[in-house]
Amino acid sequence: DAGVIQSPRHEVTEMGQEVTLRCKPISGHNSLFWYRQTMMRGLELLIYFNNNVPIDDSGMPEDRFSAKMPNASFSTLKIQPSEPRDSAVYFCASTPGTASSGNTIYFGEGSWLTVV
Amino acid sequence: TQLLEQSPQFLSIQEGENLTVYCNSSSVFSSLQWYRQEPGEGPVLLVTVVTGGEVKKLKRLTFQFGDARKDSSLHITAAQPGDTGLYLCAGPTGGFKTIFGAGTRLFVKA
Repeated sequence: DAGVIQSPRHEVTEMGQEVTLRCKPISGHNSLFWYRQTMMRGLELLIYFNNNVPIDDSGMPEDRFSAKMPNASFSTLKIQPSEPRDSAVYFCASTPGTASSGNTIYFGEGSWLTVV
Repeated sequence: TQLLEQSPQFLSIQEGENLTVYCNSSSVFSSLQWYRQEPGEGPVLLVTVVTGGEVKKLKRLTFQFGDARKDSSLHITAAQPGDTGLYLCAGPTGGFKTIFGAGTRLFVKA
């Protein structure tokens, strides 16, 4: 079975540009998460969806960040405008149940974003 | 706010040595998980511990959940270069969330 698929794997963009990260969760999983990982802050949960509905976006740093999940097989994380401090690895992850039940969280390989 | 604190942050050892890394919290968790993340990849689940005092073994890795379900440890026997990576503990909080500790970055030298 295919795992969580993210694109692009790497992106370098200039400050002020729009960045769109894409994710295809594992088929049949009904919870989807966007995490950001940096050396300074570790792995931070940005937002999670359950059955395509955003449940908690309290981790989204500011209004420049937005996420959508138009259907069960696709999600996007958009940053507009991007800033150098947004440079990080962004992970999409999915789980078949709810994370609170201790289910395995399956991560994609990450999107490495550098904003110059 | 529930937090998971991991120690040590960094560990560099020689192949064949034993090591223990820790995950601590002031809060009770219904379960804790350990993930390993290799460079350039996403975290991958190693184990889930659910019962206070539980011990699980995965080849050379031994995981323990504290009796009070506030802490966990990971012990590696005879570490190998292939064990190199970032070890993350994680725990579920209310409302579908899972939080992660900052991780222990392990480097095993051949």
